[in-house]
Amino acid sequence: ETGVTQSPTHLIKTRGQQVTLRCSSQSGHNTVSWYQQALGQGPQFIFQYYREEENGRGNFPPRFSGLQFPNYSSELNVNALELDDSALYLCASSFGIGYEQYFGPGTRLTVT
Amino acid sequence: GIQVEQSPPDLILQEGANSTLRCNFSDSVNNLQWFHQNPWGQLINLFYIPSGTKQNGRLSATTVATERYSLLYISSSQTTDSGVYFCASYYGGATNKLIFGTGTLLAVQP
Repeated sequence: ETGVTQSPTHLIKTRGQQVTLRCSSQSGHNTVSWYQQALGQGPQFIFQYYREEENGRGNFPPRFSGLQFPNYSSELNVNALELDDSALYLCASSFGIGYEQYFGPGTRLTVT
Repeated sequence: GIQVEQSPPDLILQEGANSTLRCNFSDSVNNLQWFHQNPWGQLINLFYIPSGTKQNGRLSATTVATERYSLLYISSSQTTDSGVYFCASYYGGATNKLIFGTGTLLAVQP
């Protein structure tokens, strides 16, 4: 059984650029959640996708958007990057809403 | 919204020592999880424990939902236990988003 995977591992972007992060959910999981973790803080919920539909969103601006594909993998897109977007981005998958979440290794984004 | 506080914020132990980490919630606990974040950032699932007590090797956890707290016990600590420990509770009705605590930074010295 393959766990949650994320790509890329590290990424450096310039302010104003756009970025796409990818997540493959664990086999059998149909729900993917994305979190942002700034240095020294706990992860903050960005949004969740359940069966290809957005199912809840945290306090993040519209330039953070996402997709979930028929195979339940997911993308996080961030437009007009700001310096404060520098963080570790984590995705988690679960068997369904309300089930235990399992996290990927994360993508470390640096915005200069 | 729900607030999650963890204590202590930092902890230094000698190898072999025992410790207790605490997680307090401002609202009802719902499907609580404990995680260990290693130095590379990977969040490793330790326990999924809405209530009661569970044990896994040297680790055990207890959640008392009616009193809005959870405890993580680490016995006979090892240097590989070092890292940040987070508790998180599910919140938000139809969205099972996790609300994370502030974390406990544990350093186990040889």
